[in-house]
Order: sequence, then structure tokens, then C-alpha cells
Amino acid sequence: AQTVTQSQPEMSVQEAETVTLSCTYDTSESDYYLFWYKQPPSRQMILVIRQEAYKQQNATENRFSVNFQKAAKSFSLKISDSQLGDAAMYFCAYRSGHTGKLIFGQGTTLQVKP
Amino acid sequence: DAMVIQNPRYQVTQFGKPVTLSCSQTLNHNVMYWYQQKSSQAPKLLFHYYDKDFNNEADTPDNFQSRRPNTSFCFLDIRSPGLGDAAMYLCATSRGGLAGTDTQYFGPGTRLTVL
Repeated sequence: AQTVTQSQPEMSVQEAETVTLSCTYDTSESDYYLFWYKQPPSRQMILVIRQEAYKQQNATENRFSVNFQKAAKSFSLKISDSQLGDAAMYFCAYRSGHTGKLIFGQGTTLQVKP
Repeated sequence: DAMVIQNPRYQVTQFGKPVTLSCSQTLNHNVMYWYQQKSSQAPKLLFHYYDKDFNNEADTPDNFQSRRPNTSFCFLDIRSPGLGDAAMYLCATSRGGLAGTDTQYFGPGTRLTVL
């Protein structure tokens, strides 16, 4: 069975600084996809960034980028120039290319300090 | 621009009193999912519909049922809510298929309180 682990329950960053959220996963599949979702307090979960496992190039979306290390099964999220609106719970998620099922990590709560 | 809509946003029910949560989508997606999310935890998939095909997770209690009368709407029925069912319930949709572009889009959730 696939598992996703986020080892940092809480993280804090100063506004305008850079922060990296960690995620590791375990799978024996070769076809899968990885996601980072953001869930602000009392607001809906939105997709931040997506990575296909077969792509070597790290995905980037504006201030958000990932460091995808396939051999190490690591998928960290880097947020550059952090903004107050980035404060949220961030979930790393794995989607099997075989079943399509989404498996979430435990989440990391990010606090952004002004 | 609302794409996945959940009603109500907050629902209070009494112990044992049946309750229905609603989800609708304007994306015309084939798949609709229901997740349960307890405080500060990861969402847990309860079941999903691929078109009219219902797929229940093995560990979803029988107390939870779902209906999908058409492509746009999906309902979560909790037949006899217990205190342990108090949670945020998230609806999500996706186009369907195993391609990497099959991203799930989430609604804002319904927070259920059981008294």
C-alpha cells in the first residue's frame, strides 16, 4: 500500500522569506502523480502544484516549486517570497496511476509572520 | 465561477437524526468524491461515483450512504449520526481517468456538528 508522510506538523516563516515543506512517500508503482494542496482556515482546498512521476523536471507555479527526488521518494514544496495569504495547512498527496485514488499526508500547518 | 458547491456550509444535527449533505458541480466531471476530514487531519475518502457507478471504500461505515441522481449532484446521507461523525465533509470532482491531468477539485466543505 502507498503511504505519504509529512514529518513537519507545523512550520513558520517570515513574510518575504522562503520556506520548504517536506514530504516523503512510499510506493512500488512506477506510474503515479504527486500533488500539493493548500487548505486555508475555513476555506476550501485548492491545488497548488502537480508533478508527474515520469517527468524529471521539477514543476513550478509562480512562487511555488517542488524538489522531486524520485529515487529518494521525496517531494518537497518550496514557497518563495512568502505572503500572509500563504498561511494554511498544506497537504502532500499521491495519486496512483493504477487506481486513481488520492492518498493524503497528515498535513503541515504553515504560519506566516508579518 | 463556483465550480464545486456544497450546501449547507454548516450543519447541526442531533445524535441519531438523519442528515443529508449536498454537493453540486458545474464542471461536468464524471467523478464525484466524498471525504471526511476531522480536525487537523488528512481527508479520508468515504466513497466515489464514476458516472453512476458507486465505489465504496472498504472501511466506510454502513451509516454513510450516497446518491447521485445526475451528473451535477451528489448527496451524502448519514443515517444515524453519532458524536464521532462530527467532521468536515468535503466533496471533490474530477474528469475521470488515470491520466495525470485528472486533478481533483474540492468544494468548500460542510462542517457537521452532532449534538
